[in-house]
Amino acid sequence: AQTIHQWPVAEIKAVGSPLSLGCTIKGKSSPNLYWYWQATGGTLQQLFYSITVGQVESVVQLNLSASRPKDDQFILSTEKLLLSHSGFYLCAWRGQENSDYTFGSGTRLLVI
Amino acid sequence: GDSVTQTEGPVTVSESESLIINCTYSATSIAYPNLFWYVRYPGEGLQLLLKVITAGQKGSSRGFEATYNKETTSFHLQKASVQESDSAVYYCALGLITGNTGKLIFGLGTTLQVQP
Repeated sequence: AQTIHQWPVAEIKAVGSPLSLGCTIKGKSSPNLYWYWQATGGTLQQLFYSITVGQVESVVQLNLSASRPKDDQFILSTEKLLLSHSGFYLCAWRGQENSDYTFGSGTRLLVI
Repeated sequence: GDSVTQTEGPVTVSESESLIINCTYSATSIAYPNLFWYVRYPGEGLQLLLKVITAGQKGSSRGFEATYNKETTSFHLQKASVQESDSAVYYCALGLITGNTGKLIFGLGTTLQVQP
């Protein structure tokens, strides 16, 4: 069975500090990977997607970056956090073209 | 553009009462989007509750049901008798699935509180 693991569960970070959020998918080769984000009071929106190792496409510009260093790993990061980065981050994967999204448990980020 | 509007929460109902959470969508980039309801229980991730990919069809799961109405561009979520364990945040979503690069357009989410 496929599993998706996100880390950390929650973070409190200072403005200007770096950030790295991770996501690992086990049991599925070559998944399509996605990062979604929900600001407080806002809607979930797709930030990045990746269909293969080393290839990441940005959907929304938020001064964040994403990387896919391995087939089963997706990393979201920034060197300098902004207050506006606070919110809930979800990683997701899809298999073949018509398969459903499977989401991780999410990371709650508070920037102060 | 593509968007989803759903009932603003929180919605509070008593156990065994009926529930409806409204969802309407606008899809300009695709004629027949897939429609979804996702649920996030406290402390858990987002889970697919039900989906419908064909207009006019009804999806159902765990006592919940929703009908894809293309004429009214609606996908309301209904349940005849809610339970306390249904307390969660419910998201209506539009699927713009174009091969590998598809994405989901979500509504704001509706928090449901079921009182015992």
